[in-house]
Amino acid sequence: AQSVTQLGSHVSVSEGALVLLRCNYSSSVPPYLFWYVQYPNQGLQLLLKYTSAATLVKGINGFEAEFKKSETSFHLTKPSAHMSDAAEYFCAVRFGNQFYFGTGTSLTVIP
Amino acid sequence: ETGVTQSPTHLIKTRGQQVTLRCSSQSGHNTVSWYQQALGQGPQFIFQYYREEENGRGNFPPRFSGLQFPNYSSELNVNALELDDSALYLCASSYGSGGATDTQYFGPGTRLTVL
Repeated sequence: AQSVTQLGSHVSVSEGALVLLRCNYSSSVPPYLFWYVQYPNQGLQLLLKYTSAATLVKGINGFEAEFKKSETSFHLTKPSAHMSDAAEYFCAVRFGNQFYFGTGTSLTVIP
Repeated sequence: ETGVTQSPTHLIKTRGQQVTLRCSSQSGHNTVSWYQQALGQGPQFIFQYYREEENGRGNFPPRFSGLQFPNYSSELNVNALELDDSALYLCASSYGSGGATDTQYFGPGTRLTVL
């Protein structure tokens, strides 16, 4: 069975601090992993995706994620948080035609 | 290039009614997927259409049905509405046969409230 678990439904960081959003996956086959961001009253926007190429994936807005097979993790990081990063973040694994999303992590950035 | 659009933005229905939600895919995209996002939850996959045929389905009952048209726009129909159907319904389009590496582009969603 395919699934993702996002640890921490709410994360708060100070502006300029490191952002770390955690995602662990469960997949019976090599996974395709994604991070999406959702701003209030908007749809999901793709931040980055892992498709079995480089394990360190760089995305938009300065975000990146590292695929670690031994830890079954795909954590999202950004070196320096900006106020505009405040949003809901979703990790997802794709198996065949289906996406399996985590329950989301709400990121608050404190000025 | 036009992004994914959905209509209506908001909708209020009562239990037992039927509803149709609409989605216009991004230009050039031939695959559309529908998701249900309950409040405080991640999106749940409903189904996917590729070239007008259902190409995958999640764990939703048959009263959730869909259509994809030759211009690749799409509809989601829900019959016999229940209170638990209240959610944000998201449409996502992509180009390809729904393979794992296809990138999906999401619309802003339709907020359905069932009273």
